[in-house]
Amino acid sequence: GQNIDQPTEMTATEGAIVQINCTYQTSGFNGLFWYQQHAGEAPTFLSYNVLDGLEEKGRFSSFLSRSKGYSYLLLKELQMKDSASYLCAVRPGGSYIPTFGRGTSLIVHP
Amino acid sequence: GAVVSQHPSWVICKSGTSVKIECRSLDFQATTMFWYRQFPKQSLMLMATSNEGSKATYEQGVEKDKFLINHASLTLSTLTVTSAHPEDSSFYICSARAESSSNSPLHFGNGTRLTVT
Repeated sequence: GQNIDQPTEMTATEGAIVQINCTYQTSGFNGLFWYQQHAGEAPTFLSYNVLDGLEEKGRFSSFLSRSKGYSYLLLKELQMKDSASYLCAVRPGGSYIPTFGRGTSLIVHP
Repeated sequence: GAVVSQHPSWVICKSGTSVKIECRSLDFQATTMFWYRQFPKQSLMLMATSNEGSKATYEQGVEKDKFLINHASLTLSTLTVTSAHPEDSSFYICSARAESSSNSPLHFGNGTRLTVT
């Protein structure tokens, strides 16, 4: 089976940096996605990692270590609008359908 | 680009009635669409994969006779919740991939909040 683990909730201060971790155990590996989901809305795509290393996209960066089954999403210069749930999703080997973690609820306060 | 439209955004129905949810890809063709369900503070759970022109593929534990899926065209998939019960109350989200490349992400509709009274 697939197992994806991420913290349930995190809080951070506006302007700060926060790192959201994700560990996974899947049958093979075919890519890892991060999505942002505001309450009552659909997830929106943030990043994709399939090779080890860091992918940077503006204020958001995502890191992957396949040997450790580990990824993190780094959010810099936090803004209040970044308060949302962040979903880690992993595609197992031979599949293009991702399995989602439960999401990390990030609360940004002034 | 890659916009997925879902309708309705919310619906309240009485127990025993049926509800249809539509999912459209607006600017691309999707031979495959995916239906997810999400309970509060829970993960997105894949219910079924909708295949254009053929039968849907249901995940284990999802009743195919209760959750009817029709994918009659390359831009439209529908999910019908038949004989709805209060435990079917949930957030239903459809998604599709715009491209067949391995790194193309899923694009999601805005979801449908179903409340069964």
